[in-house]
Amino acid sequence: AQSVAQPEDQVNVAEGNPLTVKCTYSVSGNPYLFWYVQYPNRGLQFLLKYITGDNLVKGSYGFEAEFNKSQTSFHLKKPSALVSDSALYFCAVRDRNNNNNDMRFGAGTRLTVKP
Amino acid sequence: DAMVIQNPRYQVTQFGKPVTLSCSQTLNHNVMYWYQQKSSQAPKLLFHYYDKDFNNEADTPDNFQSRRPNTSFCFLDIRSPGLGDAAMYLCATSRWTGGTDTQYFGPGTRLTVL
Repeated sequence: AQSVAQPEDQVNVAEGNPLTVKCTYSVSGNPYLFWYVQYPNRGLQFLLKYITGDNLVKGSYGFEAEFNKSQTSFHLKKPSALVSDSALYFCAVRDRNNNNNDMRFGAGTRLTVKP
Repeated sequence: DAMVIQNPRYQVTQFGKPVTLSCSQTLNHNVMYWYQQKSSQAPKLLFHYYDKDFNNEADTPDNFQSRRPNTSFCFLDIRSPGLGDAAMYLCATSRWTGGTDTQYFGPGTRLTVL
């Protein structure tokens, strides 16, 4: 079964600095990988996904993520953080070889960007 | 704008009193999902509908039921809410159940059980 690990519960960065939110995955086959963001008392909002092709995926609000098969990672990055990026970030994975619709979410990483 | 709508946004119920949460979508997606999310934890899939076909997760308690009367609407029924059922309930949709497809989430309903 597929699983996702987000090793950091909390990430703190200063506004204007680059940010990284880490995600590693485990699947029996090849993965489909997703990042979602959740603002307080709101649903999850899709940021980006990796399906195939270029390992660097660009998404909404200036975020990008790099698929690294050898390290089984899909870290979320942004060159210059904004205070408004402060939110809860979830990585999710589906197993390409699994016919069910099971998408597994990580436990989430709370990003705080300080002015 | 096409979207996923959940009503109400906040629901308070009493221990043991049945409650229904509502989700509607204007995306015309085939699949609708219900997730339970407890205080900043990962969303946990309860069940999903592909069109009229209901798919229950193995560990979803019998206390949780769902109805999908048409493409646009899906309901989550909690027959006898316990204190442990207090959570955010998220509805999501996708076009199909294929692995590449993105799920689009509603804003959620926060359920309080007194």
